[in-house]
Amino acid sequence: DAKTTQPNSMESNEEEPVHLPCNHSTISGTDYIHWYRQLPSQGPEYVIHGLTSNVNNRMASLAIAEDRKSSTLILHRATLRDAAVYYCILITGGGADGLTFGKGTHLIIQP
Amino acid sequence: DSGVTQTPKHLITATGQRVTLRCSPRSGDLSVYWYQQSLDQGLQFLIQYYNGEERAKGNILERFSAQQFPDLHSELNLSSLELGDSALYFCASSVGGTIQETQYFGPGTRLLVL
Repeated sequence: DAKTTQPNSMESNEEEPVHLPCNHSTISGTDYIHWYRQLPSQGPEYVIHGLTSNVNNRMASLAIAEDRKSSTLILHRATLRDAAVYYCILITGGGADGLTFGKGTHLIIQP
Repeated sequence: DSGVTQTPKHLITATGQRVTLRCSPRSGDLSVYWYQQSLDQGLQFLIQYYNGEERAKGNILERFSAQQFPDLHSELNLSSLELGDSALYFCASSVGGTIQETQYFGPGTRLLVL
């Protein structure tokens, strides 16, 4: 899988929007961009994924740059429960394999 | 609650011993994945099973083995344990066996080798 680069940590205030960036300059045309997050003392959980167009779901929005070399996960109104490590993962093809997690971004939410 | 269950939650054992970790996937999911999370290596994929058959292998040591049973639950066996095997072990499941599908993770088993 192609490599992603994320900031080690970010801090935001409760009830404010949060924009988590991910750079993936070597992305290929068939790579999907997936985001997972891991809350303290829990297993990772799926957040959102996309290919080319921006995506929205009940948890977050995913904004994908036109050249697809970067993307941004948007939490519209952060709560304390959103404090977690967020992983941006590129997934190629439809074969079998496990996920390759990088170090992710540690999101800190201040009350 | 992801619907994936793992037992036990905690396990303390000694070097050289053997342990078995158990995972029950979400109802209807055919694929099970095992991951190891340690402080220095982060989250690493170990192995995947789909409907009882091994499907993909990651960074799994030869001392580790896994299997998936006809009822689709899976077990991860860790033998000749070393201090460095102390970690969180997560199981995940998905409906089919392709990497594109959402994986649902269990709460993990924390293993401490003394």
